[in-house]
Amino acid sequence: GPKVLQIPSHQIIDMGQMVTLNCDPVSNHLYFYWYKQILGQQMEFLVNFYNGKVMEKSKLFKDQFSVERPDGSYFTLKIQPTALEDSAVYFCASSPQLNQDTQYFGPGTRLLVL
Amino acid sequence: QQKVQQSPESLIVPEGGMASLNCTFSDRNSQYFWWYRQHSGEGPKALMSIFSNGDKKEGRFTAHLNKASLHVSLHIKDSQPSDSALYFCAVRGGSNAKLTFGKGTKLSVKS
Repeated sequence: GPKVLQIPSHQIIDMGQMVTLNCDPVSNHLYFYWYKQILGQQMEFLVNFYNGKVMEKSKLFKDQFSVERPDGSYFTLKIQPTALEDSAVYFCASSPQLNQDTQYFGPGTRLLVL
Repeated sequence: QQKVQQSPESLIVPEGGMASLNCTFSDRNSQYFWWYRQHSGEGPKALMSIFSNGDKKEGRFTAHLNKASLHVSLHIKDSQPSDSALYFCAVRGGSNAKLTFGKGTKLSVKS
């Protein structure tokens, strides 16, 4: 089936540093998402992105977070500066359209902030 | 704010048995429902979607939706060890794109 790729698979970073998580969505998909999953807890929505703009974001999407997809390259989540509570697995997802379309998830990036 | 609750938290069924997973949601405007499966170390993969009240069958998997009672379920017939995974219910409202996930049911199929 459709595959979403995420790079890197793991990242360890010192608190206060910047980190960029990269997502290669399914090629013909138009909507992109980031979700956060803390170990043992449910997946929580962070943000969705369409046509170069953030459409919707949750309370978890702090001011230190930003997303972009310059010229059809990777869809990125940047955290600057990182905090200890940012340690989690971050999943990227994409879908062709909204409404009834299934969101396809990548394998996740495991971020550890020390 | 949408609340999605799943039960049971964990479930052990014998190989060849039936597994039944439940999910309740709080927003009556919810329109679209998915079941996702996540194996350890991987991202969640969509198993099936259901948008209308009633049953939807795909192979060994049957989803049931009752919007009036705010309930959706997944039944796995002839369970296999490879079905052992974390199962999430995910719900979308009509006007926004975000999925609200439950905490998941951990299914173990014992041979």
